[in-house]
Amino acid sequence: EAGVTQSPTHLIKTRGQQATLRCSPISGHTSVYWYQQALGLGLQFLLWYDEGEERNRGNFPPRFSGRQFPNYSSELNVNALELEDSALYLCASRRSSGTEAFFGQGTRLTVV
Amino acid sequence: AQSVTQPDIHITVSEGASLELRCNYSYGATPYLFWYVQSPGQGLQLLLKYFSGDTLVQGIKGFEAEFKRSQSSFNLRKPSVHWSDAAEYFCAVEYGNKLVFGAGTILRVKS
Repeated sequence: EAGVTQSPTHLIKTRGQQATLRCSPISGHTSVYWYQQALGLGLQFLLWYDEGEERNRGNFPPRFSGRQFPNYSSELNVNALELEDSALYLCASRRSSGTEAFFGQGTRLTVV
Repeated sequence: AQSVTQPDIHITVSEGASLELRCNYSYGATPYLFWYVQSPGQGLQLLLKYFSGDTLVQGIKGFEAEFKRSQSSFNLRKPSVHWSDAAEYFCAVEYGNKLVFGAGTILRVKS
């Protein structure tokens, strides 16, 4: 069974540009989570999608947005990139609440 | 607010020695608890989980954790550490359908 896959692995953007990160969940998983792991800031919850709807978002500005597609894959968009957006962005999927979440390998976003 | 505390930022142990990583949480109800491990630049791998039942749970790679409600703790243990265990370890609690993570503990293994 394939795990959670994220693309691209690495992404370099300049300040002010937009970035799009993609995530494919494990087959049968309907929930997708996005986390930001910036240096020294730990794992910060960004967004939760379930059954195509945004269910919850963390304390991030509106320029962080995303969506979930009918096949449950998801993309995270970051507009007007700032230097401090440089981080490892992790996607996780799971079947439902109260079950374990499985993480992808992450997308390393570097803003220069 | 719900929180997870991992009081040790770094821990160094000798190969073959025992290991205990501490985790405390604040949560009103019976929590769902998790331990994840992350190698540098990689995603998170689930080591073990606690949902209910037996308070001592076994995980992968020889790890175990014990849930102690009275102490709001979920400490991770391993009887004999291997050099390949060097990584960062995260404790997490499920809250509001999302995982809230501790700050992590970096484990160094010396030979």
